[in-house]
Amino acid sequence: DQQVKQNSPSLSVQEGRISILNCDYTNSMFDYFLWYKKYPAEGPTFLISISSIKDKNEDGRFTVFLNKSAKHLSLHIVPSQPGDSAVYFCAASGFNSGGSNYKLTFGKGTLLTVNP
Amino acid sequence: DSGVTQTPKHLITATGQRVTLRCSPRSGDLSVYWYQQSLDQGLQFLIQYYNGEERAKGNILERFSAQQFPDLHSELNLSSLELGDSALYFCASRQGSSGYTFGSGTRLTVV
Repeated sequence: DQQVKQNSPSLSVQEGRISILNCDYTNSMFDYFLWYKKYPAEGPTFLISISSIKDKNEDGRFTVFLNKSAKHLSLHIVPSQPGDSAVYFCAASGFNSGGSNYKLTFGKGTLLTVNP
Repeated sequence: DSGVTQTPKHLITATGQRVTLRCSPRSGDLSVYWYQQSLDQGLQFLIQYYNGEERAKGNILERFSAQQFPDLHSELNLSSLELGDSALYFCASRQGSSGYTFGSGTRLTVV
């Protein structure tokens, strides 16, 4: 049972345009959500996160939106740059109940390609 | 450099063999997590250690085992290897309420 779903395996956008990556989750106990970016031959790196007490978090060109009622979150990248081309993983956790057992559940990832 | 060190970077071995993957967490991080990324799969949680003790288990096969040593480095042992065990294996560490920091992974190829 996949608790975190990224239904789009890939996304292609033009440089300067907006990239929107989507993620759905099924576990209502999840209350903390993260996005990781992964380049080939490297480990995933943390990008941005959001707690369930918020519906938006912004960091520079990156904004994450959370819709708890729909169990949906999205990552917006504006403007998109060729260097943003990578695999993006959505992850979720029951942060407040995690403590030292804090475990992330990941989606399968979306390959974003930003064309010059 | 993320501060999480995984060795080796690449490993090619035959079916039925046993291998050991090593992870050194960031300085001061007590938690170590192991994840497996197979083709077309996301990151599948295998197991977590905290300060030497096993804290959580995920989809880890009985042929796989792990441990965390007093110096906090961790080893993931994979035995009786099968072709389907070919994957990227990531280690991540964490301190306190911070997020994960991942290593660059070990690519295991079973032939």
